[in-house]
Amino acid sequence: DGGITQSPKYLFRKEGQNVTLSCEQNLNHDAMYWYRQDPGQGLRLIYYSQIVNDFQKGDIAEGYSVSREKKESFPLTVTSAQKNPTAFYLCASSLGNRGRETQYFGPGTRLLVL
Amino acid sequence: AQKVTQAQTEISVVEKEDVTLDCVYETRDTTYYLFWYKQPPSGELVFLIRRNSFDEQNEISGRYSWNFQKSTSSFNFTITASQVVDSAVYFCALSEAGERGGSNYKLTFGKGTLLTVNP
Repeated sequence: DGGITQSPKYLFRKEGQNVTLSCEQNLNHDAMYWYRQDPGQGLRLIYYSQIVNDFQKGDIAEGYSVSREKKESFPLTVTSAQKNPTAFYLCASSLGNRGRETQYFGPGTRLLVL
Repeated sequence: AQKVTQAQTEISVVEKEDVTLDCVYETRDTTYYLFWYKQPPSGELVFLIRRNSFDEQNEISGRYSWNFQKSTSSFNFTITASQVVDSAVYFCALSEAGERGGSNYKLTFGKGTLLTVNP
């Protein structure tokens, strides 16, 4: 089945620790995205990638880093510089990065700080 | 700058009632795209519909229908004969073609409307 997978479903982070969220897609999509969702809020864009080995900051990139070494994979690292990381993180992909392309979402990872 | 407003934070209805979720958007582009997504309690966003700015025809898909009115910058979503399985958060979103210097990659979301359908 084609789709987007995210792991883990739940992730716990200790103070000062970096953690990495996984996102994989087998839809052969060029563009991939990371969003953050806080309770009662819409989604906010963290990073996006239009093509392999290229990525751009979104609206709230501070404290996060990404890589895009393979078309299928777009991992997100939440660094210790992110002071309020507790949130629901959603990965998405689209065929291209132009506005008309529909973004499809994975099941999400819930990050909690211990 | 693009903006999406979903004024209804929460709506509660009884099963079989019809319900309309409102969405108002702002954009300077003449070419843009509007989306609705459903987020059930599991958390995953499920794509429902995409509309481009040049197609103002209303759309119906089963119990779902969408009313796009450029004159009022609205893209409202109606569920007819609601069911308990319709309970979810619904998001309206906007992306632009980037004609007037705006970003053409960004999907801007409203804050969502929590719909609860009671049996």
